[in-house]
Amino acid sequence: DTAVSQTPKYLVTQMGNDKSIKCEQNLGHDTMYWYKQDSKKFLKIMFSYNNKELIINETVPNRFSPKSPDKAHLNLHINSLELGDSAVYFCASSQAPDATNEKLFFGSGTQLSVL
Amino acid sequence: DQQVKQNSPSLSVQEGRISILNCDYTNSMFDYFLWYKKYPAEGPTFLISISSIKDKNEDGRFTVFLNKSAKHLSLHIVPSQPGDSAVYFCAASDFGSARQLTFGSGTQLTVLP
Repeated sequence: DTAVSQTPKYLVTQMGNDKSIKCEQNLGHDTMYWYKQDSKKFLKIMFSYNNKELIINETVPNRFSPKSPDKAHLNLHINSLELGDSAVYFCASSQAPDATNEKLFFGSGTQLSVL
Repeated sequence: DQQVKQNSPSLSVQEGRISILNCDYTNSMFDYFLWYKKYPAEGPTFLISISSIKDKNEDGRFTVFLNKSAKHLSLHIVPSQPGDSAVYFCAASDFGSARQLTFGSGTQLTVLP
């Protein structure tokens, strides 16, 4: 019973392609996130959704578009992939966006390689 | 601008000894700090946290110390076990940024048997 599951685990694609990463959580959480782990290993937030509504949108190219069909799912679509998009992308969820204890539950990550 | 810094990318410790992982931050508005642990091919998992109103929080073998004046926190693991070998991320948040977490770059801990 994986709490936060994301697919695919690995994604290898050519520059210019469009790809999607799916994320689902079965924890009943209201808030979901996308994080990017860059080459320097920092985890940086990209987006946050609370109950299907966008609440955080960091400085991310508009080629990246999150979609939340319901509060248990937050998918990430990436258009016109570039070499610099190669990274590990983590989906996460939490009980609430403004909880004092901002404890996140992460998926296992998607290693994206753009050739 | 790296507001949370983990200056040691790696640390090796003998089994049974103490592991001390360090984290520095620059944003004085941070008031909540967390440590996450990450095994290869898995996502980070929450380990322990501390509020800025405290200077110590303990959970079993794990203790986090916070020195607000120095903007420094540390994670102590005593005794260290081989299963503790993982990457440890420090993270911080503040109310003003909607509790958005800022992570450090992680420290790879290797506990040698």
